[in-house]
Amino acid sequence: DAGVIQSPRHEVTEMGQEVTLRCKPISGHNSLFWYRQTMMRGLELLIYFNNNVPIDDSGMPEDRFSAKMPNASFSTLKIQPSEPRDSAVYFCASTPVTHDGYTFGSGTRLTVV
Amino acid sequence: GNSVTQMEGPVTLSEEAFLTINCTYTATGYPSLFWYVQYPGEGLQLLLKATKADDKGSNKGFEATYRKETTSFHLEKGSVQVSDSAVYFCALSAGGYNKLIFGAGTRLAVHP
Repeated sequence: DAGVIQSPRHEVTEMGQEVTLRCKPISGHNSLFWYRQTMMRGLELLIYFNNNVPIDDSGMPEDRFSAKMPNASFSTLKIQPSEPRDSAVYFCASTPVTHDGYTFGSGTRLTVV
Repeated sequence: GNSVTQMEGPVTLSEEAFLTINCTYTATGYPSLFWYVQYPGEGLQLLLKATKADDKGSNKGFEATYRKETTSFHLEKGSVQVSDSAVYFCALSAGGYNKLIFGAGTRLAVHP
C-alpha cells in the first residue's frame, strides 16, 4: 500500500495565483480530511468528507478556499486567489470505517510570496 | 465542546531518561484517544491508541493509559533515544465521522 499520496510536495506561488493541492487516499478508506499546519495555529481541520460527500467545511478559513472529492480516490483543495498568509503545510489524511487511526500524507508545503 | 490540552514544550532530555508528556481532554460521551508523532518534514504517524477507559495503548516502548476519572492520557517511555526526537500530538475522536481533535503538540528533543 502506497499510503496517502499528496502532490506537489512543495509549491511556491505568487500572491493572487490559483493553487491546487491534490490527495489520493488509501483505497477502501471512506473518510478524508484536509488539515493545515502552521507554527502559530498548529493543526487546523479545514474540511472532511465521508463517502465523497463534504460533511463539515466550517474550518475553511475563507471563500477563497474550496475542496472537492469527485470520487473515492481523489480530492483537491484549491485556493483562489492565494495570499501570503496561506503559507503553511497542508496535510491530507484518510481513515476507514473501523477508524484504526488516520493515515496522513507527507504534506504539501505551500509558500505564497 | 471537545478539546485536548498538552503540556507545552520543548521537552529536552538526555538519552535513556524517562519521558512523560501530559495530555488531558474535555469531551462529551466516550471518546477514543490517540497519540501521533511527527518527525521533521513528515506527516503525522499514529503511535498508539486507546478506545475505552483503563485501556493501555503501547507501541515502540511508548505507553499511555486512558484515565476517565482524571480525563487524562499521558504518554510515557522508560528510556528515550535520540531517534525519538519529534513532535508528539495527543488527539481524541468523539462523535461521528471519525473526526479527530488534536492538541497543540509537544516537541521532544533528546540529546546523546
